[in-house]
Amino acid sequence: KAGVTQTPRYLIKTRGQQVTLSCSPISGHRSVSWYQQTPGQGLQFLFEYFSETQRNKGNFPGRFSGRQFSNSRSEMNVSTLELGDSALYLCASSPTDRGVIAGELFFGEGSRLTVL
Amino acid sequence: AQKITQTQPGMFVQEKEAVTLDCTYDTSDPSYGLFWYKQPSSGEMIFLIYQGSYDQQNATEGRYSLNFQKARKSANLVISASQLGDSAMYFCAMRLSGGYQKVTFGTGTKLQVIP
Repeated sequence: KAGVTQTPRYLIKTRGQQVTLSCSPISGHRSVSWYQQTPGQGLQFLFEYFSETQRNKGNFPGRFSGRQFSNSRSEMNVSTLELGDSALYLCASSPTDRGVIAGELFFGEGSRLTVL
Repeated sequence: AQKITQTQPGMFVQEKEAVTLDCTYDTSDPSYGLFWYKQPSSGEMIFLIYQGSYDQQNATEGRYSLNFQKARKSANLVISASQLGDSAMYFCAMRLSGGYQKVTFGTGTKLQVIP
């Protein structure tokens, strides 16, 4: 069974540009969530999608957005990049639904974004 | 709001010895799940073990066990018989019952296993 796939793995952008990251969840998983990991802030929740609907969002500015497609694949977009957006962006998928707290998140290897 | 605290930024352990990684949490929600993840230098987060707030027994998964003390709000990870491949960052995390898939992570503990 294929794991969570994130593309691209590495990318370099300059300030003011925008970037789109892609995540393909494990087959059959309908929930996809995104996390930002930085040395200073650690792992922070960005948002979660389930059946193409965003049902939870972290404390990030509107420059961070995402969407989910009917095949459960998800993309996140960051517009007007800032130096502080340099981070490892992790995508996770889960087969579980609301109210079910058991069941781990399955993470991809992440997309490492560097903003110059 | 929920919070996870890991007070050990880094730890060393001798190969084949046991090690305990500390984790305390704070939530007023009676229903929650606690997780431990391992992150090698490659970046991928690997699930290790899960403990539900209503579980009566401590969770175990192979060499990993979770020492769950609900009254103290602690969920320490115990790794028995450490191996060189255990060298990595370890994160404690929590999910609330109404939080969908939102997981709150601690700051992590870097474990280094010495031959």
